[in-house]
Amino acid sequence: DAKTTQPPSMDCAEGRAANLPCNHSTISGNEYVYWYRQIHSQGPQYIIHGLKNNETNEMASLIITEDRKSSTLILPHATLRDTAVYYCIVRVAIAAGNKLTFGGGTRVLVKP
Amino acid sequence: DAMVIQNPRYQVTQFGKPVTLSCSQTLNHNVMYWYQQKSSQAPKLLFHYYDKDFNNEADTPDNFQSRRPNTSFCFLDIRSPGLGDAAMYLCATSRDGLGGVEETQYFGPGTRLLVL
Repeated sequence: DAKTTQPPSMDCAEGRAANLPCNHSTISGNEYVYWYRQIHSQGPQYIIHGLKNNETNEMASLIITEDRKSSTLILPHATLRDTAVYYCIVRVAIAAGNKLTFGGGTRVLVKP
Repeated sequence: DAMVIQNPRYQVTQFGKPVTLSCSQTLNHNVMYWYQQKSSQAPKLLFHYYDKDFNNEADTPDNFQSRRPNTSFCFLDIRSPGLGDAAMYLCATSRDGLGGVEETQYFGPGTRLLVL
């Protein structure tokens, strides 16, 4: 499975953009990059995913480098409710299903 | 709203006493997953069902079993819980999972299991 590397923690000021980096240098051509977040004591929440192109939705933007070895999740205007652990995951297709191998994630603290 | 439901949110059991956790979904997804998340750790996949086909992870202990009686429900059975099985158990679903197709997993709120 392709491994991901993320900084263990980062702080962000409320109202500012939060840029969360992720390295996935061993990613294969058909593997997607997924981002989830987990607010304390809740289930992981899907944020966004991508293969090659940059993606944007109502929650965030995902920037994937041209060589696909790294990506950045951008929360455009962080709020206190965005405080969570953010997981960058390379999704692996397996027999009849797909596997999310969670790494350590980045613990993001949004401060007033 | 369509969703993944896990009840109860908290479950207390005794050491060695079998316990069953339940998950239901209104998404009509083909695939259902069970993850274990111990304190301060990331979720770890235990097994998943693709329709009625059960797929076990190689390192999942035999103590953990699962049943999926129909599309909507999936159960996690722990035959003889030990203290080390105390964790959050997360259920997730995806519409499909055929290789190469992008399929997002949607998680339930989890059941926190306490073993006394």
